[in-house]
Amino acid sequence: GESVGLHLPTLSVQEGDNSIINCAYSNSASDYFIWYKQESGKGPQFIIDIRSNMDKRQGQRVTVLLNKTVKHLSLQIAATQPGDSAVYFCAEKILSGTYKYIFGTGTRLKVLA
Amino acid sequence: EAQVTQNPRYLITVTGKKLTVTCSQNMNHEYMSWYRQDPGLGLRQIYYSMNVEVTDKGDVPEGYKVSRKEKRNFPLILESPSPNQTSLYFCASSARPNLLNTGELFFGEGSRLTVL
Repeated sequence: GESVGLHLPTLSVQEGDNSIINCAYSNSASDYFIWYKQESGKGPQFIIDIRSNMDKRQGQRVTVLLNKTVKHLSLQIAATQPGDSAVYFCAEKILSGTYKYIFGTGTRLKVLA
Repeated sequence: EAQVTQNPRYLITVTGKKLTVTCSQNMNHEYMSWYRQDPGLGLRQIYYSMNVEVTDKGDVPEGYKVSRKEKRNFPLILESPSPNQTSLYFCASSARPNLLNTGELFFGEGSRLTVL
């Protein structure tokens, strides 16, 4: 992974507002994408995934949007809560024939009370 | 409960003192992998294993060894640790991807290693 600096980009959001976290993925051949949430001192946890044959997928309070034209992925969190404070990062891979994931560096989400 | 378990969670050691970080999964997953996570960098793959007795180098394998003698275990070995191996390490596992299963990665809780 290419270094983008020592500090993660940070998104500060008021509690109750919606959050949008963005990710630019690197491989145009990637056909599967995941968003992970990583809380302090814990391992990454799966939030939501999407395959390249979809543009949008919704979960509970979360939506992932995929724009293959510009290789862009976004995670939308509705009604952001204090428990959403964490680092969020995307991962991409090619589904067929490989287990290898490419991970983004992440965005820190801070929820303000 | 399905989980990936790493030990130790925290370790401070000195340069050159061999150490092993264990990883065990109870999901019967074929694939297991080790990553390191450093400030400002994404997760970087150290080694991976696609099945028992099958291991391969990831992106940053130098200074590390692994073994896969059993399906559930995938220990990470640092034969002669150096300060640049100070990092947060994650083990992960997944099932074989197919039309129904995307091969989601399940991560352990992490092992924070400091090499003095």
